Amino acid sequence: QKEVEQDPGPLSVPEGAIVSLNCTYSNSAFQYFMWYRQYSRKGPELLMYTYSSGNKEDGRFTAQVDKSSKYISLFIRDSQPSDSATYLCAILPGANNLFFGTGTRLTVIP
Amino acid sequence: SQTIHQWPATLVQPVGSPLSLECTVEGTSNPNLYWYRQAAGRGLQLLFYSVGIGQISSEVPQNLSASRPQDRQFILSSKKLLLSDSGFYLCAWSVGQGQGKNIQYFGAGTRLSVL
Repeated sequence: QKEVEQDPGPLSVPEGAIVSLNCTYSNSAFQYFMWYRQYSRKGPELLMYTYSSGNKEDGRFTAQVDKSSKYISLFIRDSQPSDSATYLCAILPGANNLFFGTGTRLTVIP
Repeated sequence: SQTIHQWPATLVQPVGSPLSLECTVEGTSNPNLYWYRQAAGRGLQLLFYSVGIGQISSEVPQNLSASRPQDRQFILSSKKLLLSDSGFYLCAWSVGQGQGKNIQYFGAGTRLSVL
């Protein structure tokens, strides 16, 4: 079983829609969870990170962690064409290595 | 603020030629440094990481090697490139070890095509 699983999509939504991106993970001991956004041919940029359970909000983005289900989500409200990118979830299990999902490609259609 | 520089952005090399990709970080001391390869649809594969000068850990046995000659410089090398070395190579850094300190920040990447 992989440490983190992510639906690769692709996902296409109309502008203004609410987007839900999800990952599941294998080890309930994991505590730090991150979301990266990667535009085509660019490096990933850190969007948000959360510690333990609960929600974290930053503008139109909300990261949610459900440790009981080992499930993490990123919600994008009022999605814009500029949100079109690949979104990677990542989990920090220990000192050095992050476990990354394979990424979900999102397209927001004007 | 911290910045990470990675070059070149794009590289086309013939099979059997050598490779040297360079990454430098500014604005921090003693960072952890990482090299990843990203293949389409396969996510990020950690190749090497370093916690200090001269300290390199290899995650995947392969045709590549890494070196850290200076605190904020990380180099990815190969003596003879293979077709399978083609991909998108990313350098990343983090503040240090331990939970919460290993959030990684990425460079812009190098797209390598081996022909």
